[in-house]
Amino acid sequence: DQQVKQNSPSLSVQEGRISILNCDYTNSMFDYFLWYKKYPAEGPTFLISISSIKDKNEDGRFTVFLNKSAKHLSLHIVPSQPGDSAVYFCAAWGLNTGNQFYFGTGTSLTVIP
Amino acid sequence: ETGVTQSPTHLIKTRGQQVTLRCSSQSGHNTVSWYQQALGQGPQFIFQYYREEENGRGNFPPRFSGLQFPNYSSELNVNALELDDSALYLCASSWSGFPRNEQFFGPGTRLTVL
Repeated sequence: DQQVKQNSPSLSVQEGRISILNCDYTNSMFDYFLWYKKYPAEGPTFLISISSIKDKNEDGRFTVFLNKSAKHLSLHIVPSQPGDSAVYFCAAWGLNTGNQFYFGTGTSLTVIP
Repeated sequence: ETGVTQSPTHLIKTRGQQVTLRCSSQSGHNTVSWYQQALGQGPQFIFQYYREEENGRGNFPPRFSGLQFPNYSSELNVNALELDDSALYLCASSWSGFPRNEQFFGPGTRLTVL
């Protein structure tokens, strides 16, 4: 049962343009969401998070938007840089999930110079 | 400050064998979570250890077991290996089991079961 879904396995964007990565979830009890970035041969690294009491959180070039009614979140990267090329995972946690985070299947972002 | 380390980096086993994977948590962290990442999938939570006690478990059978030591390093043991156990195994450490505390991941152990 995939409670967190990333329906786009891959995305290519020109350097300097906006990258938009999407994530959908099914569990209405999720109330904390995170994005991780993963380079080959490395573990995922935390990028940005958002609590369900907010609909937007910004950190430099990275902004996460949360639409609770649609059970949808997105990560915007502006401007995209070649170093942003990586696999991006969204993850979710809720009071009814114990200590378990649920991860999506990932989106591989390629930023073309 | 050292980050999260895992050993070995790669491992090949045959069906039915047993395997032990190791994780050293980041300095100051007392919580370790283990994840399985199959090819083309996201990490799936196996279990978490907090102060040497199991503190949550995902949907994995009992042949997946773990330990946490007084220095907060951890082991993941898998008995009776199956072909589907082939995956990247990630551990992540954090301060306390509180979900909003950032988890720091190691580079993973790639397990291949033949």
